Amino acid sequence: NAGVTQTPKFRILKIGQSMTLQCTQDMNHNYMYWYRQDPGMGLKLIYYSVGAGITDKGEVPNGYNVSRSTTEDFPLRLELAAPSQTSVYFCASSYLDLAAPTTDTQYFGPGTRLTVL
Amino acid sequence: AQSVAQPEDQVNVAEGNPLTVKCTYSVSGNPYLFWYVQYPNRGLQFLLKYITGDNLVKGSYGFEAEFNKSQTSFHLKKPSALVSDSALYFCAVRDMRNNAGNMLTFGGGTRLMVKP
Repeated sequence: NAGVTQTPKFRILKIGQSMTLQCTQDMNHNYMYWYRQDPGMGLKLIYYSVGAGITDKGEVPNGYNVSRSTTEDFPLRLELAAPSQTSVYFCASSYLDLAAPTTDTQYFGPGTRLTVL
Repeated sequence: AQSVAQPEDQVNVAEGNPLTVKCTYSVSGNPYLFWYVQYPNRGLQFLLKYITGDNLVKGSYGFEAEFNKSQTSFHLKKPSALVSDSALYFCAVRDMRNNAGNMLTFGGGTRLMVKP
């Protein structure tokens, strides 16, 4: 298994540009997440999905959009890039068993380093 | 609201010595706690978790963590540090609120430096 993969690894955007960060997992996990990590800080949740077709906002969703058309893919869209979105973005996935809903472990991708100038 | 605190930005230890990376938490219900490690330019790797049961949890790469309910702590430990353990360590707590989607709340991270 490749686990969680993310593309691209690095990207520089100009203010106002848009882009999509790709995330794919091959573990048949039902839950997927997008986090951002700012320098010297922990990770903050942007959006999450509990399954194909279902997404919801996390702690810091403003300026982002997501979709989940398949179990495997969970792209993150930035429509109008701003300097405040300069960060490292991590995608994660987990399998949540409804019989034991608190025991899942999130597995992370390698991250996308985004700079907005 | 729940929170996680990692009081030390950096921990320095000599190779072969025991190491401790501290974590304290605040939750309204039962705590579900995790430790992750991040190597340079890599994603987070899962080390261990506490859900219930034995207060001493063993994880990957020889790490273990001790859950202490009275002190609301979940410190990460290793009996003998290796230079290759040098990395950024994150403590996290599971958000059990119904609308949180199993969100993890992370501490700010502690950089571990193991010197030869």
